[in-house]
Amino acid sequence: GAVVSQHPSRVICKSGTSVKIECRSLDFQATTMFWYRQFPKKSLMLMATSNEGSKATYEQGVEKDKFLINHASLTLSTLTVTSAHPEDSSFYICSARKPPGQGGYGYTFGSGTRLTVV
Amino acid sequence: GENVEQHPSTLSVQEGDSAVIKCTYSDSASNYFPWYKQELGKRPQLIIDIRSNVGEKKDQRIAVTLNKTAKHFSLHITETQPEDSAVYFCAASNSGYSTLTFGKGTMLLVSP
Repeated sequence: GAVVSQHPSRVICKSGTSVKIECRSLDFQATTMFWYRQFPKKSLMLMATSNEGSKATYEQGVEKDKFLINHASLTLSTLTVTSAHPEDSSFYICSARKPPGQGGYGYTFGSGTRLTVV
Repeated sequence: GENVEQHPSTLSVQEGDSAVIKCTYSDSASNYFPWYKQELGKRPQLIIDIRSNVGEKKDQRIAVTLNKTAKHFSLHITETQPEDSAVYFCAASNSGYSTLTFGKGTMLLVSP
């Protein structure tokens, strides 16, 4: 199957600090990964598309300087929430698709990261 | 861009009944339609998907139908069980590496 690992699962940080979230494809190479944000009882909102070896593509309204994305290898994308504030508290979740060339089918999600900024 | 509408937002059924969740999409170029089940605090899990060259797909108690002309697709769950209780999301995308656009979700509650 296609396994996506996300770490950490929960993080509490102080306002003004930065938090890094990692998303790894464990058994396939992912040239593209996606980062979502989910508020309680709401749907998944795409924040950005992470492209290996190039700049991420951000959705309208998402601050690229606030949410730094790095996709330095074919198996790892990171999302860094910089200068976090309480309004950044949310559930962040990544996803990736195993390429058809690697026997892929469908999108797989990481386990999500519950960020709480105090 | 793509816009996906999902109804109803909440659905309560008795155990053993059937549940139907409906979605519409706006982009005629979309050709991949997955459904995800998400339990509280957990990741969405793909439960079934359908591509635009197929009108219906079934997997045990779950089925999905697609009407390309009307741009709508539906999830059907038969013989519901309490463990089916969760939030269900539909989504649409153009195949390949394009992004998924999600519906707003349906909270399904199955009462014993």
